[in-house]
Amino acid sequence: GDSVTQMEGPVTLSEEAFLTINCTYTATGYPSLFWYVQYPGEGLQLLLKATKADDKGSNKGFEATYRKETTSFHLEKGSVQVSDSAVYFCALPFYSGAGSYQLTFGKGTKLSVIP
Amino acid sequence: EAGVAQSPRYKIIEKRQSVAFWCNPISGHATLYWYQQILGQGPKLLIQFQNNGVVDDSQLPKDRFSAERLKGVDSTLKIQPAKLEDSAVYLCASSLVPRRGRGETQYFGPGTRLLVL
Repeated sequence: GDSVTQMEGPVTLSEEAFLTINCTYTATGYPSLFWYVQYPGEGLQLLLKATKADDKGSNKGFEATYRKETTSFHLEKGSVQVSDSAVYFCALPFYSGAGSYQLTFGKGTKLSVIP
Repeated sequence: EAGVAQSPRYKIIEKRQSVAFWCNPISGHATLYWYQQILGQGPKLLIQFQNNGVVDDSQLPKDRFSAERLKGVDSTLKIQPAKLEDSAVYLCASSLVPRRGRGETQYFGPGTRLLVL
């Protein structure tokens, strides 16, 4: 079935370091792809999304490119800040078979940025 | 625009007690979701509503969990009786009706943190 595989954490980086969090997917067709972020003690927030192949989603300095040939949607940021410390989830919509589309989430990657 | 509201934010109960969570989705969002997020894991869908009808409740433990969405707006999720393994964050999310082949962005509330002792 449709699924996402996300790199395991935790990831600890120094401030201003480069960040990559890998996400690969298995899907029928070409669904939209999402990255969500969960800050400590909060719910999930949409970080960025891409709706078709070769699209690049971007927000708050984060970017991810929808790559059909490698079935990947890796999250990158050139210079992380302490405030980026959070858990990041890759997500993929799939047809539930019950009449609607739902999201399946990766297991999450915890990022800690130290000053 | 107001986001998804949930209450309470925190709840501590003893096992075998009952508990209820409330969610108010974003205005105009027909689809509402309840998720369970156990510490260190991604959210797991419990139930999905479209308007006031259930679309999918295949992962809802129906012997103890129930949910309703009256008038297609607010929703409540109830656990009765609670077990230790129900300790988790319960997230409510809402979206427009998902488009075929694409899905829709889901907007999440802050969650209710439940601890069962």
